[in-house]
Amino acid sequence: GQQLNQSPQSMFIQEGEDVSMNCTSSSIFNTWLWYKQEPGEGPVLLIALYKAGELTSNGRLTAQFGITRKDSFLNISASIPSDVGIYFCAGQRAGNNRKLIWGLGTSLAVNP
Amino acid sequence: DTGVSQDPRHKITKRGQNVTFRCDPISEHNRLYWYRQTLGQGPEFLTYFQNEAQLEKSRLLSDRFSAERPKGSFSTLEIQRTEQGDSAMYLCASSYGTAYNSPLHFGNGTRLTVT
Repeated sequence: GQQLNQSPQSMFIQEGEDVSMNCTSSSIFNTWLWYKQEPGEGPVLLIALYKAGELTSNGRLTAQFGITRKDSFLNISASIPSDVGIYFCAGQRAGNNRKLIWGLGTSLAVNP
Repeated sequence: DTGVSQDPRHKITKRGQNVTFRCDPISEHNRLYWYRQTLGQGPEFLTYFQNEAQLEKSRLLSDRFSAERPKGSFSTLEIQRTEQGDSAMYLCASSYGTAYNSPLHFGNGTRLTVT
């Protein structure tokens, strides 16, 4: 099935560093969602974006809905060890079924 | 809000056996989704319900798979004659379908291993 282009695929950073990841699509989306998944767990919603240009924060996390509606980015500031996990972007097009289209994830490792 | 609950968390079965998973969505959510996730991939859509009606099924959902949501609350996903390729994490999610700003909330999944 269709997937979003998510980058980078993986990151290994030092505690305290800032992190940035993004997702792009050839299609327009009406909603962008960012999830975090830890081993053996389901994806946990971090931030939901509903308007082009929208910038939303959740603690140390900030995400933006691109103006073109074809991209989104997620920033994590001052990373800590518990930020470790896989971060997924997911998009929804206009329509009634609310089915999500997913990126392949960004695996984040934080060195204390 | 107790979140989306899935049972069991883990299931090991022999090839050819039938398995059934259960999902209890967030209580006020009328939409329920099933996804499958394999290692290194994002979740793949299988099917979704609005209340008790199954409105869409993915081509991934072969004839061996069936999902029900008989009273519009909990849902079951059954896999008949399991194959090794069915090994995956099966995720359930729910949302309030009529609100555009109601994102999907996921359970912790059922990890299926077919030996």
